Amino acid sequence: NAGVTQTPKFQVLKTGQSMTLQCAQDMNHEYMSWYRQDPGMGLRLIHYSVGAGITDQGEVPNGYNVSRSTTEDFPLRLLSAAPSQTSVYFCASSNGFLGQPQHFGDGTRLSIL
Amino acid sequence: AQKITQTQPGMFVQEKEAVTLDCTYDTSDQSYGLFWYKQPSSGEMIFLIYQGSYDEQNATEGRYSLNFQKARKSANLVISASQLGDSAMYFCAMREVSYSGGSNYKLTFGKGTLLTVNP
Repeated sequence: NAGVTQTPKFQVLKTGQSMTLQCAQDMNHEYMSWYRQDPGMGLRLIHYSVGAGITDQGEVPNGYNVSRSTTEDFPLRLLSAAPSQTSVYFCASSNGFLGQPQHFGDGTRLSIL
Repeated sequence: AQKITQTQPGMFVQEKEAVTLDCTYDTSDQSYGLFWYKQPSSGEMIFLIYQGSYDEQNATEGRYSLNFQKARKSANLVISASQLGDSAMYFCAMREVSYSGGSNYKLTFGKGTLLTVNP
């Protein structure tokens, strides 16, 4: 079972470059989300989606863009990378039941020079 | 105000002993869920245990149990018989059900507790 697949696992960018972090899940989950993890900060929600065509902002959305055209895919776009976006990014998915845990991808470690 | 507070940045425990990791939360919703995740040094997020706000019994999963005190808004994780492989970062998280609009699916995380198990 693939679960939640994130690509790439590592990426180095220069300031001002753009890129897309890919996230795909094969569990038919309606809910998908992106988090960033910084030292001492826990995981902070960037954007989330409750179904195809529906997205909303989380706690730290600035500098990121998302879209959800299919149930399976939820890419995260960095529009113009900044050093402050150096972080580990996690994609997660779950269904709509309160007690169901979110399933996480393995993370993408992103460095902005 | 933080919704999830983990007051212990780091904890140490001797192998085979029990350890309690603290978590307090803040919500005005009646229906919510509390989760604990483990993140080893390899980086993946591993779900450990869940407690619903209406659950009368404390949740247990193997060596993990959740000491849920609703009136105090605390949901402490207890790990019994610690093993070296328990050394990891542990996160408490809350999922709220809001009927006033917005998503019912968001997880809010605490900042984590780094547990080190000593041999």
